[in-house]
Amino acid sequence: AQTVTQSQPEMSVQEAETVTLSCTYDTSESDYYLFWYKQPPSRQMILVIRQEAYKQQNATENRFSVNFQKAAKSFSLKISDSQLGDAAMYFCAYRSAYSNYQLIWGAGTKLIIKP
Amino acid sequence: ETGVTQTPRHLVMGMTNKKSLKCEQHLGHNAMYWYKQSAKKPLELMFVYNFKEQTENNSVPSRFSPECPNSSHLFLHLHTLQPEDSALYLCASSQATGTGYYEQYFGPGTRLTVT
Repeated sequence: AQTVTQSQPEMSVQEAETVTLSCTYDTSESDYYLFWYKQPPSRQMILVIRQEAYKQQNATENRFSVNFQKAAKSFSLKISDSQLGDAAMYFCAYRSAYSNYQLIWGAGTKLIIKP
Repeated sequence: ETGVTQTPRHLVMGMTNKKSLKCEQHLGHNAMYWYKQSAKKPLELMFVYNFKEQTENNSVPSRFSPECPNSSHLFLHLHTLQPEDSALYLCASSQATGTGYYEQYFGPGTRLTVT
């Protein structure tokens, strides 16, 4: 069975600095998707960035980028120029390409932005 | 209203009460999901409906009873709950289920406290 591990329950970063959130996963499959979701306090969970396992190029979305290391089964999220609005819980999730909808979730990392 | 809405946002109920959670999506999607989110634990998928048909019941106790009258509405009926059922209940929707990529859009959740 697949598992997703986020080893950092909480991280803090100074505003305008860069922070990296870690995620590792375990799978025997070769084709899958990886996601980072953001859940601000009392607000909706939203998708931040997505990576297809067959793509070697790391996904980027504005200030958010990932470091996808398929062999190491590592999928970290880098947030550049951190802003106060980035404060949230961040969840890493895995989905097999052979699954209809099942997302395997990590336990989350709480990101604190210091002004 | 846009996106995925959930009511109520907060609910306190006794162990002998009966209550219902409501979810509505305004995205024209065909698949809807219930998740349970407990502190410091990964999200747990509870139920999945695709075109109003239940396709997943993830070993959820019978005190939780879902209902999907149409593709836009999803209910979670609650009765004789236990204190350990206290959690944030999230609703999500996606265009469909299938081995293609279908992003899940989340509602803000209902914070349930069982006393």
